[in-house]
Amino acid sequence: GAGVSQSPSNKVTEKGKDVELRCDPISGHTALYWYRQSLGQGLEFLIYFQGNSAPDKSGLPSDRFSAERTGGSVSTLTIQRTQQEDSAVYLCASSSGQAQDTQYFGPGTRLTVL
Amino acid sequence: AQSVTQPDIHITVSEGASLELRCNYSYGATPYLFWYVQSPGQGLQLLLKYFSGDTLVQGIKGFEAEFKRSQSSFNLRKPSVHWSDAAEYFCAVARSGTYKYIFGTGTRLKVLA
Repeated sequence: GAGVSQSPSNKVTEKGKDVELRCDPISGHTALYWYRQSLGQGLEFLIYFQGNSAPDKSGLPSDRFSAERTGGSVSTLTIQRTQQEDSAVYLCASSSGQAQDTQYFGPGTRLTVL
Repeated sequence: AQSVTQPDIHITVSEGASLELRCNYSYGATPYLFWYVQSPGQGLQLLLKYFSGDTLVQGIKGFEAEFKRSQSSFNLRKPSVHWSDAAEYFCAVARSGTYKYIFGTGTRLKVLA
């Protein structure tokens, strides 16, 4: 079946602009995660959605970052007033919802802020 | 707090040679442990995971890892590396029963023909 998909694959924007990154999880997966992968860094947890529960936003680095998940499926990560330090690869993952279940990752969106 | 250390940023091996990638974690109890591989332009793919039981775990693509509680390690091994194994490898840990993975900074593997 289809895996996790993300769009766009690459995004170049100017400092101060807003960007939206999209994630389509695997069909039927109730859990969805966003991570950020900066150059030379590991993956940094950003946010977690599970079903209709309130999302865990504890990893969002600032209030310029927000995410929503509509209808329990597609998710959008929004970064407002982008800064150069936001440049990174943003990865989305989904899982079936049990804590120990494997997280399946999308190919990521490479964001470059000029 | 949990943490994961991958002490080798880069490793170069010849094709056909054996491979061991190191991973050390910090956590009070037995964690969930994972190894993922990321090829250029690709998302992360799970190689193997350990939750409990047999401490030697077999994964895909001929990889295995051994959980050593006394050393707080979960090293990844492969007896004979193929050129297609060139990629970046990430170790991750999660507290049992939780979904938050803590990732290491990765080890980039280069394979010489």
